[in-house]
Amino acid sequence: GAVVSQHPSRVICKSGTSVKIECRSLDFQATTMFWYRQFPKQSLMLMATSNEGSKATYEQGVEKDKFLINHASLTLSTLTVTSAHPEDSSFYICSARVRQGRDEQFFGPGTRLTVL
Amino acid sequence: RKEVEQDPGPFNVPEGATVAFNCTYSNSASQSFFWYRQDCRKEPKLLMSVYSSGNEDGRFTAQLNRASQYISLLIRDSKLSDSATYLCVVNSGGGADGLTFGKGTHLIIQP
Repeated sequence: GAVVSQHPSRVICKSGTSVKIECRSLDFQATTMFWYRQFPKQSLMLMATSNEGSKATYEQGVEKDKFLINHASLTLSTLTVTSAHPEDSSFYICSARVRQGRDEQFFGPGTRLTVL
Repeated sequence: RKEVEQDPGPFNVPEGATVAFNCTYSNSASQSFFWYRQDCRKEPKLLMSVYSSGNEDGRFTAQLNRASQYISLLIRDSKLSDSATYLCVVNSGGGADGLTFGKGTHLIIQP
């Protein structure tokens, strides 16, 4: 099956630091990856769509200068939370669509970010 | 505004019983529909896609009613391991759009 990995699984950092999260598709090439965020007892909210070799498309209300996305290869997308603050503490999950024409997405295990 | 609505529950159901969830979606242009399962503090995992004709996978049956814009999931002979949050998920773009998630229905199977 389609396997998506994320690293790190958990981060605790001080306010003002930047945190980089990696998302990798392990057994397939993903032209499109997605980044979601989930606050406690809330639904997953799409933050941005990451396309290989082009700029990410951000959802309304998501600051592109704060959440930097890079999709440099067909198997790797990164999300950098710049100058993190406590309100950025959340569960960040990436997903990848297995192939064109199919809408199913497979999710990475998520990264739990805690900003002190 | 894209919205997917579900009854958050919790649904407390005895082991072996049949349980059904519904969800409604607001975007009539929605094209793809899924049920995902999410365990506590874990990522969502695809349970099944939902097709217009309805589909079954073992103990799980999903149905789609486009006219009424709702999706259902039926679980028969429920197991303790079915305890989880079930997410109704819709893709409205059919292209590069991400998924729109409901908040989920929390199911607890009791021994």
